Amino acid sequence: AQSVTQLDSQVPVFEEAPVELRCNYSSSVSVYLFWYVQYPNQGLQLLLKYLSGSTLVESINGFEAEFNKSQTSFHLRKPSVHISDTAEYFCAVSEGTDDYKLSFGAGTTVTVRA
Amino acid sequence: DVKVTQSSRYLVKRTGEKVFLECVQDMDHENMFWYRQDPGLGLRLIYFSYDVKMKEKGDIPEGYSVSREKKERFSLILESASTNQTSMYLCASSFPGRYVLTFGAGSRLTVL
Repeated sequence: AQSVTQLDSQVPVFEEAPVELRCNYSSSVSVYLFWYVQYPNQGLQLLLKYLSGSTLVESINGFEAEFNKSQTSFHLRKPSVHISDTAEYFCAVSEGTDDYKLSFGAGTTVTVRA
Repeated sequence: DVKVTQSSRYLVKRTGEKVFLECVQDMDHENMFWYRQDPGLGLRLIYFSYDVKMKEKGDIPEGYSVSREKKERFSLILESASTNQTSMYLCASSFPGRYVLTFGAGSRLTVL
């Protein structure tokens, strides 16, 4: 099975500061990459995904992630966070064409403070 | 606007009890999933189903079973609950090959 490592379990950050959440995976084959977000007391929802094409993908709320094949990474960034970005973020990887083979990282909790 | 509904947000059960967790989706998705979420471990797949009456084991199926009698409904069953099954359980659904899972809000189960 895929191994997905999120290098930080907790990331405290001040409002309007930048944030980076790191994600590394283990695979020697082509992969599909995802970031999901879980706001307090809610289910997970897809933030952004990389399937093919440009290695830089963006979400509608200002997050971006870059697929780096040589470093097997898919780090998530936002240049200026808001209080409403407080949530848990999960990196996920699929190495097949079947979406049931989705492996999730342990999650990174982002806490944005005023 | 809720698309994946889990019947219970919080449950407290005793060791040895049979537990049913219900999940209903209204998006006509073929695929449905049950995950377990634990701090520091992320999400782990228990079972998934790609069609009515069809099921496949995920990474941690031991101690669980599932039932899918109708396309929109996927049930997770704990035949004899144990304390190590205390966890958050997440249901999800998707179209095949679309890679976008829609999750329910979760069911937090405590086994005493």
